[in-house]
Amino acid sequence: AQSVTQPDIHITVSEGASLELRCNYSYGATPYLFWYVQSPGQGLQLLLKYFSGDTLVQGIKGFEAEFKRSQSSFNLRKPSVHWSDAAEYFCAVMNTGFQKLVFGTGTRLLVSP
Amino acid sequence: GAGVSQSPRYKVAKRGQDVALRCDPISGHVSLFWYQQALGQGPEFLTYFQNEAQLDKSGLPSDRFFAERPEGSVSTLKIQRTQQEDSAVYLCASSLVGGEFNYGYTFGSGTRLTVV
Repeated sequence: AQSVTQPDIHITVSEGASLELRCNYSYGATPYLFWYVQSPGQGLQLLLKYFSGDTLVQGIKGFEAEFKRSQSSFNLRKPSVHWSDAAEYFCAVMNTGFQKLVFGTGTRLLVSP
Repeated sequence: GAGVSQSPRYKVAKRGQDVALRCDPISGHVSLFWYQQALGQGPEFLTYFQNEAQLDKSGLPSDRFFAERPEGSVSTLKIQRTQQEDSAVYLCASSLVGGEFNYGYTFGSGTRLTVV
């Protein structure tokens, strides 16, 4: 069965510093991978997705993620964090044809001044 | 509206009460999904509709949960005889065709259900 692991429950980053959120997946074939962000009381907003091709994916709000098949990872990065980036971040995997997303447990990002 | 609308935003139910949660997808979106998000957890898949057909209900936790989409647009998630473990945020999402890969899910803001 597919699964997603986000090993960091909380991360605190200073404003202006770089960010990397970790995501590892378990899936037999080539996965479709996603990063979502959720602000308090809000739904999930798609940041970026990977399905094939270039393993470095650019998303909205200055985020990017890199797919590394050898490490079964899809880590999210941002070179300079803004206070408005404080939120919960979810990594997810989908098996095409099955439609549903399998989410990790999330990483809460705190941004310090 | 332009987004996925869910109502009510908040629902407090007494244990044993039946509840109905509504989802208005984006107009013209064929696929509709329900997810359950417990406190401190990621969303978990409940069920999936393509138009009015419920193609996957493998995530519904018990026979107390029932979802319908009779005309292929608005969907209702019904929970009978609510239990405390049903307390969660229920998220609805829709997509133009099938799945995130091609056209992208749009999620609603969710309904927070608290069972007391």
